[in-house]
This record gives sequence, C-alpha cells and structure tokens, in this order.
Amino acid sequence: SQTIHQWPATLVQPVGSPLSLECTVEGTSNPNLYWYRQAAGRGLQLLFYSVGIGQISSEVPQNLSASRPQDRQFILSSKKLLLSDSGFYLCAWSGGGTDTQYFGPGTRLTVL
Amino acid sequence: AQSVTQLGSHVSVSEGALVLLRCNYSSSVPPYLFWYVQYPNQGLQLLLKYTSAATLVKGINGFEAEFKKSETSFHLTKPSAHMSDAAEYFCAVRAPDTGRRALTFGSGTRLQVQP
Repeated sequence: SQTIHQWPATLVQPVGSPLSLECTVEGTSNPNLYWYRQAAGRGLQLLFYSVGIGQISSEVPQNLSASRPQDRQFILSSKKLLLSDSGFYLCAWSGGGTDTQYFGPGTRLTVL
Repeated sequence: AQSVTQLGSHVSVSEGALVLLRCNYSSSVPPYLFWYVQYPNQGLQLLLKYTSAATLVKGINGFEAEFKKSETSFHLTKPSAHMSDAAEYFCAVRAPDTGRRALTFGSGTRLQVQP
C-alpha cells in the first residue's frame, strides 16, 4: 500500500531563516505531488504541484520554492521566511485515472 | 474555471441527529468531486469521491453524498452523528480532461457534535 511521509512534524523558525520541508511517498511510482498551505481558519491553498522529476508548477507567487530531486521526493524551501509563512503545510500525492489526492500528516510551521 | 462553495463555516448537531454539510460547485465540464475530513493537527483523509459513476456515493464512517447535476451540488450526509465525527470537512472539485490535475477546495465546514 502507499504511504506518504512529511517531516518535520512541527517547526519553529525565526523570521529571515531558511526553510526545508520534505515529503516522500512509498509504494507507488511517478506520482503527481502537491504542496498546500492551510493558514489558521482558512481553507487549503495550492502552492506547487509536480507531474515528474524536475517539473514544478507554481500556483501562487511568493518567497517559497519547490523541488523534486527524485521520483517520490518533494521538497518545499525558502531562503528567508516571513511571518506570513506560518501555517500548516500539507503534501499530497495522486495517481491513476481520477487523480484522487492522498494527504500526508502535515508540518506545523510557526515563524516568529 | 472551477470553484467550490461550502455553505456554513460551522455546523452544530446533537449526537444521533442528521448531519448535512452543503457543497455547491462550479465547473465548465462534468467534474470529479471529493469530500475530505480533517481532525485537529492532522492531514486530510478521503471520505468519498464522485467520478461520474453512481450519483449516490457511499464513503467511510457512514457518510454518503449525492451528486445532483441540476443543482450543481454534492452535499454530505450522515443519518446519525457520533461524537467522533467532530472535525473539519472539505469539499473539493477537479475538472477532468482540462489538464489541471490539482483540486480546488472549499473553505471548509467545522462540525461540532453536542452530547
């Protein structure tokens, strides 16, 4: 069966510091991968999605970036965090005909 | 373009009462529709999905939803609420065959279950 992992689970970072969040998927090959952000009291905002290694589509212009160095690894990064980057970051994968998305456990990021 | 509207950011029901969470969609093509549930500080879990087969879809935990094209709705129901159903619920839409693989989510409905 397929599983999706995210780490770290929680992170507290100062403003201006770098960020690296990692997402890995097991049990499937060539998945579509997604990064979402969920701010407090708000819905899910799609940040990036990837249909293959090195292929990244950005949905929202911001100081975040994403990379996909391996088939089942998706990384969210920032060079300098802003207060507004605080939130709950969710990674998801999909595959097959309907592209149903399955979510990881999330990373709670607090920028102080 | 596709969008989802969830009516009611908060819904409160008594334990044992009917749960009805509303979702209306807008899509230029027949959509795929999804309901997800999120417990505090956890990821989203798929409850059920509609992918152009049967219009009444049964999911996990006793939930079901009915696709009504004429009303552009996909409301989520459960006959009898349980305390463990307290969570946030998200409706999502995807327009197939448009090249856009990502889902568009509603803003969510927080369900409270009173004893």
